[in-house]
Amino acid sequence: DVKVTQSSRYLVKRTGEKVFLECVQDMDHENMFWYRQDPGLGLRLIYFSYDVKMKEKGDIPEGYSVSREKKERFSLILESASTNQTSMYLCASLASNQPQHFGDGTRLSIL
Amino acid sequence: RKEVEQDPGPFNVPEGATVAFNCTYSNSASQSFFWYRQDCRKEPKLLMSVYSSGNEDGRFTAQLNRASQYISLLIRDSKLSDSATYLCVAQYSNYQLIWGAGTKLIIKP
Repeated sequence: DVKVTQSSRYLVKRTGEKVFLECVQDMDHENMFWYRQDPGLGLRLIYFSYDVKMKEKGDIPEGYSVSREKKERFSLILESASTNQTSMYLCASLASNQPQHFGDGTRLSIL
Repeated sequence: RKEVEQDPGPFNVPEGATVAFNCTYSNSASQSFFWYRQDCRKEPKLLMSVYSSGNEDGRFTAQLNRASQYISLLIRDSKLSDSATYLCVAQYSNYQLIWGAGTKLIIKP
C-alpha cells in the first residue's frame, strides 16, 4: 500500500519563525508535491520535484522554498512565517502515469 | 476561466437516491482523469480513475466525454457515508495536474 507520511498533523508557529514541514514516501516515487488547501480555493500547488535535488515552482511559490536531498523526502520551508500562510498543507507523490497519493495533511496555524 | 471547474454545491440528496455531478476541463491535452473523495479535515483519497470507455466500481460510475471535455461521477443508492467533497483532477503529465475545487455532497436520512 502507498504510504505518504507528513511529520505533523497540527502545528502552531509564530509570525517570523522559520517553519519546516517534512514529507516522506516509501514507494520510490520520482514525483513529489506540496499543496496548500484553503476553503473555496481548492488545492493550490506550491512546489513540486521530479527527482532528487530537482524542484520546480508551482502556482504559489512566494514565501516558500523546498528541499529534496533524498528521493523519499520532500521538505517544505516557510522562510519567515506570516499569518496568511495559515492553511492545510498536503504532500503528495506519484509514480509515472499513476494517480497522486496524499499524506494526512498538516494544519498549520501562524499566530 | 478556471482550467477545471466543478459546481461547489452543496448537493443535498436523500439517502438511497442517485446523484451525479460533472467536472469540465479546458485543456484538451489532458491525458488522465481521476475522482477523489475528501472528508472534512482529511486528505483527498483516490476514489477512482476515469477511463474513456467509462468505468464502474460498485455504486460508483465514472465517465469521460472528450468531445465536450467533461468527466462525470454517478453515485447510485447513496449512503450517509457518501457525504464528502468530491474532487476531480485532470492530469496531462507526471507533474502537471489541475485540480477542481470540489463538489460538496450531503446525504440526508
